Amino acid sequence: DIQMAQSPSSVSASVGDRVTITCRASQGISSWLAWYQQKPGKAPQLLIYTASNLQTGVPSRFSGSGSGTDFTLTISSLQPEDFATYYCQQANSFPLTFGGGTKVEIE
Amino acid sequence: EVQLVESGGGLVQPGGSLRLSCAASGFTFRSYWMHWVRQVPGKGLVWVSRINSDGSSTSYADSVKGRFTISRGNAQSTLYLQMNSLRAEDTAVYYCARDGALGGFLFDYWGQGTLVAVSS
Repeated sequence: DIQMAQSPSSVSASVGDRVTITCRASQGISSWLAWYQQKPGKAPQLLIYTASNLQTGVPSRFSGSGSGTDFTLTISSLQPEDFATYYCQQANSFPLTFGGGTKVEIE
Repeated sequence: EVQLVESGGGLVQPGGSLRLSCAASGFTFRSYWMHWVRQVPGKGLVWVSRINSDGSSTSYADSVKGRFTISRGNAQSTLYLQMNSLRAEDTAVYYCARDGALGGFLFDYWGQGTLVAVSS
């Protein structure tokens, strides 16, 4: 199975800050990586697919990069509605696996 | 508008069975692969199972293989998860999710989730 190591597990930030979350796969997955946002009590929502493609309707302050084993999700200017937990997911092979999550909290 | 609505969750004793359903609307259900993903409250996401568009191919996480069965009724636009021999560690919110066919295997729409609690 492909393991996904996500860091940090939590980050405290202020509105307007730039936030970067990293995800490392235990083996190469090309660009088959997705990022999700989950708010308390809600289902996850797709933000980014194939490492760098923005899902329809997602604000442009979100961006993704990387390939192979190392990936990054960046929020360029944190907004109040962005405080949530973020997960990466390898979309390369079964079993599909997720990172442990990064909780973005208000500083 | 794409909608996925799960039902069938509840409290069940260890060793018991439960069948989850996911009613889909707003898209051509028979054209998409579908998945089940679960989440223990307060914990991370875990993929459970997938089924291809015509139901002829399935995959399972090792933790549920041999106990859970995914199926679909394309005429009814409904996804199912039959869960047998349930264990305490199966307690979680179960989400159905559509495979977005955007590249790789990923989830572009999710249901609201249904809670399964396994306890005596």
